[in-house]
Amino acid sequence: LAKTTQPISMDSYEGQEVNITCSHNNIATNDYITWYQQFPSQGPRFIIQGYKTKVTNEVASLFIPADRKSSTLSLPRVSLSDTAVYYCLVGGTSGTYKYIFGTGTRLKVLA
Amino acid sequence: EAQVTQNPRYLITVTGKKLTVTCSQNMNHEYMSWYRQDPGLGLRQIYYSMNVEVTDKGDVPEGYKVSRKEKRNFPLILESPSPNQTSLYFCASSLSGDVLYEQYFGPGTRLTVT
Repeated sequence: LAKTTQPISMDSYEGQEVNITCSHNNIATNDYITWYQQFPSQGPRFIIQGYKTKVTNEVASLFIPADRKSSTLSLPRVSLSDTAVYYCLVGGTSGTYKYIFGTGTRLKVLA
Repeated sequence: EAQVTQNPRYLITVTGKKLTVTCSQNMNHEYMSWYRQDPGLGLRQIYYSMNVEVTDKGDVPEGYKVSRKEKRNFPLILESPSPNQTSLYFCASSLSGDVLYEQYFGPGTRLTVT
């Protein structure tokens, strides 16, 4: 899996849009970008995955520029319950089945 | 309900006393994995299994053993626990090891080794 770099922590206020960027300069052609969310005292859970351009679901949006060397997870109008650690993973669809979650980005939403 | 279960959820033990943390999934997933989570170090993979009788090392396998004799179960064995194995452990499963398939995580097991 490609190495990723994310900010260690971010603070935001309720109702704001939050963008968390992940850097993955060595992304390979067949690599996908996946984000997981982890609430305190729980295991991570999948939130979104994409290959290029933009992906949106009911939880978040994922923006991937043409060069794919970075990606941005966007959380619209965050609430206190979005306080969590967000992990960016980059990996392909075949080959190694190791997962490298890293340290993630700790998002704190303030009232 | 589709889920990954782990037992025990909390365990305090002493150095050198063998222990097993069980993990079971009811989703007929082929891929299962163990992680440990430590402050400042994030989530690190210990071992994973592609299918029954197929296991491989993750990033931090030292001091751990695993076995996969049945598809649904993937126990983590600490033959001689040491204090540096005090951690929060998560088991996960997915349909396949490919990154396209999301991993489902268990609730975690908090282990303290004194």
